[in-house]
Amino acid sequence: AQSVTQLGSHVSVSEGALVLLRCNYSSSVPPYLFWYVQYPNQGLQLLLKYTSAATLVKGINGFEAEFKKSETSFHLTKPSAHMSDAAEYFCAVSDLRSGYSTLTFGKGTMLLVSP
Amino acid sequence: SQTIHQWPATLVQPVGSPLSLECTVEGTSNPNLYWYRQAAGRGLQLLFYSVGIGQISSEVPQNLSASRPQDRQFILSSKKLLLSDSGFYLCAWRVDSGANVLTFGAGSRLTVL
Repeated sequence: AQSVTQLGSHVSVSEGALVLLRCNYSSSVPPYLFWYVQYPNQGLQLLLKYTSAATLVKGINGFEAEFKKSETSFHLTKPSAHMSDAAEYFCAVSDLRSGYSTLTFGKGTMLLVSP
Repeated sequence: SQTIHQWPATLVQPVGSPLSLECTVEGTSNPNLYWYRQAAGRGLQLLFYSVGIGQISSEVPQNLSASRPQDRQFILSSKKLLLSDSGFYLCAWRVDSGANVLTFGAGSRLTVL
């Protein structure tokens, strides 16, 4: 089965600073990779996805992520943090369970933004 | 457009009581449906998935069960809740079979006391 590791359960940045959330994956096949965001007491919202096209993927709200096969990484970045970016972020990899497709998620990284 | 609904949004239940969480999808047919649970510090755990009516696959054999009585309805149940069943339950469906994107509902928060 595929797996995802998110480094750091919490990341703190100041408003206007660079956001970097780390994700490493393990996959036996070329992966599809995803970043989702979750605001308190809400479901998950797709930020962006990598599906073997361009390695630099742009998503919503100014976020982007770069697929690096040699490093098995898919880190999420944003040049300048806003207070509204404070949320929990999940990295996920496509997975097959008994022939059916699903997603395997990392444990999440809580992004804290201070004024 | 497609939408996904979950209810109830919040539920507080005593240990040993039954549970029923419902999820419905609108605007599509024959979706793949999923139940995930989110517990503090443990990320998202896949519980069940379904590719059609009456077809349920379980990832975590616990005191929870799932059913799909209709094409766009997915129900999570328990006969007797445990304290460890507390968590945030998320229903999801696949929107893009090529890229395996999941779309999530707003979730149901269950507290077992």
